Amino acid sequence: GENVEQHPSTLSVQEGDSAVIKCTYSDSASNYFPWYKQELGKGPQLIIDIRSNVGEKKDQRIAVTLNKTAKHFSLHITETQPEDSAVYFCAASEAAGGNKLTFGTGTQLKVEL
Amino acid sequence: GAVVSQHPSWVICKSGTSVKIECRSLDFQATTMFWYRQFPKQSLMLMATSNEGSKATYEQGVEKDKFLINHASLTLSTLTVTSAHPEDSSFYICSARDLAVAKNIQYFGAGTRLSVL
Repeated sequence: GENVEQHPSTLSVQEGDSAVIKCTYSDSASNYFPWYKQELGKGPQLIIDIRSNVGEKKDQRIAVTLNKTAKHFSLHITETQPEDSAVYFCAASEAAGGNKLTFGTGTQLKVEL
Repeated sequence: GAVVSQHPSWVICKSGTSVKIECRSLDFQATTMFWYRQFPKQSLMLMATSNEGSKATYEQGVEKDKFLINHASLTLSTLTVTSAHPEDSSFYICSARDLAVAKNIQYFGAGTRLSVL
């Protein structure tokens, strides 16, 4: 089955700086890669996703890049703000597996003033 | 759009009792819903895939008689934790896949925190 690794487990940045979180996946059949933000005591919220036919996608301060050859994808947050502080999870999914999501281990992002 | 409502948000029960958690897609239809379990400071672990009108598919190691799933309509799936014990205490989260859009996108509920005394 799919295995998703995520790094770093914790990340602390100064407000205004950029944050980068990286994930690798094992199954070359995976074709959908969402990123979720989870605040304490709440469910995950989809913030951006990318499909395997696209190399990069951007939405305001958030961007995701995908390298299919290397089987890794990254989340980039620019101009970080305190409200970006949360746990971020990457995930991978492939249609043949019933579109199940396999999640990474999460990154605790802290944006300091 | 794409709102998933989960109820209750927090439940405390005595050991040996059963607890039902509801997951509703409010503004879309979902033939497939997923149930996850999350321990503190850990990732989400898929428990089962709930399909409307058919039996749920459980992940390896998840007891189907312990965690009963019913997906009776396109907008509602329920998870019943039967004969709950303290080790069942956890954060349970559901997600739903929108039938009308891209197949893979899952929208999550706010989660249910279960505490078994």
